[in-house]
Amino acid sequence: DQQVKQNSPSLSVQEGRISILNCDYTNSMFDYFLWYKKYPAEGPTFLISISSIKDKNEDGRFTVFLNKSAKHLSLHIVPSQPGDSAVYFCAASVNFGNEKLTFGTGTRLTIIP
Amino acid sequence: DAGVIQSPRHEVTEMGQEVTLRCKPISGHNSLFWYRQTMMRGLELLIYFNNNVPIDDSGMPEDRFSAKMPNASFSTLKIQPSEPRDSAVYFCASSPRTSGRVQTQYFGPGTRLLVL
Repeated sequence: DQQVKQNSPSLSVQEGRISILNCDYTNSMFDYFLWYKKYPAEGPTFLISISSIKDKNEDGRFTVFLNKSAKHLSLHIVPSQPGDSAVYFCAASVNFGNEKLTFGTGTRLTIIP
Repeated sequence: DAGVIQSPRHEVTEMGQEVTLRCKPISGHNSLFWYRQTMMRGLELLIYFNNNVPIDDSGMPEDRFSAKMPNASFSTLKIQPSEPRDSAVYFCASSPRTSGRVQTQYFGPGTRLLVL
């Protein structure tokens, strides 16, 4: 039973445009969310996170939005660059007292030059 | 900083054979995680340790899988006997656990396992 779902296996975006990656979750206990980025033949690397007390967190070209009522979060990349081509994983956790992360299946983002 | 080190990077074996995957976490990190990545299920947590003690092994698929952490700088994930459905990429990750809060996990490059 997938508690964290990324329903789009792949996404192609023109360089310079906005990339929007989506993630849905079912467990209402989740209160901390993360995005990881993965290049081929490498392990995932942390990108950005958000606590449930916020609805937006921004870091340079990357912004994560959280809609708790809809149990939905999204990652916006503006502007998209060729180096952003990678697989993006959404992850969720109960922040306090638990280090366990539940990951989604990933979305492969391809930036078209 | 060497990062998380995993070996081997690739493993091809035949069904029924024993497979041992190895991991060296980042020095000073006291939490270690083993994940499996497949197309269908994404990244699944198999087991994690804190201060060398297994905390949650609910993701270990069955008794054929076992993991140990004999000291702070080394962990193994063993599959015995291996089956074709175990073919996947296995990642090890470590994090500096503080106060039980979620910390950034740092992943190794993974071991790609193929069981024929």
